[in-house]
Amino acid sequence: AQRVTQPEKLLSVFKGAPVELKCNYSYSGSPELFWYVQYSRQRLQLLLRHISRESIKGFTADLNKGETSFHLKKPFAQEEDSAMYYCALSANQAGTALIFGKGTTLSVSS
Amino acid sequence: DSGVTQTPKHLITATGQRVTLRCSPRSGDLSVYWYQQSLDQGLQFLIQYYNGEERAKGNILERFSAQQFPDLHSELNLSSLELGDSALYFCASSRTGEVAGANVLTFGAGSRLTVL
Repeated sequence: AQRVTQPEKLLSVFKGAPVELKCNYSYSGSPELFWYVQYSRQRLQLLLRHISRESIKGFTADLNKGETSFHLKKPFAQEEDSAMYYCALSANQAGTALIFGKGTTLSVSS
Repeated sequence: DSGVTQTPKHLITATGQRVTLRCSPRSGDLSVYWYQQSLDQGLQFLIQYYNGEERAKGNILERFSAQQFPDLHSELNLSSLELGDSALYFCASSRTGEVAGANVLTFGAGSRLTVL
């Protein structure tokens, strides 16, 4: 069965500090991993996906199949990064959908 | 607005009642997904429809049911409501049936259900 674990409910950092939001997954096949973000009073939206190997708003995430992890990182946090972040996994198979972790609230203060 | 539209935005009802939540997918999207968001459980996948047919099923209670109509809008029916059903219910849509590659989910603003 697919499972996504985000061990931290809340992560508080100061502006300019590095950020790492942890995500571990459980799936025996080849998953696709995503990070979604929900800013205050806004809709849940895609931040980035592992297949694109892109950097969005300074965030990057590398899929580590050996450690079954997909941690989200940013070298210097900004106050506008404060939001709820969800890691999600797709098994890319008929009959399965996108499974989310429980989310981590990132709070960046000055 | 060609995004995902959900109605109603807020709904307050009593235990034992039945409600219907409605979702119109983004223009051109054939697949609709329903998620329940609560404080302790995060985003729980309920059910997915693709072009009118059920495609995937998650942690959906027997008291809940859904369908997708020929015009591709979807309805989530919640019956015999309990206090624990209070949550934010999200609908999302995607172009095809599998979440892969460029086919990602677009979310609606959600319907907040409060059961008293």
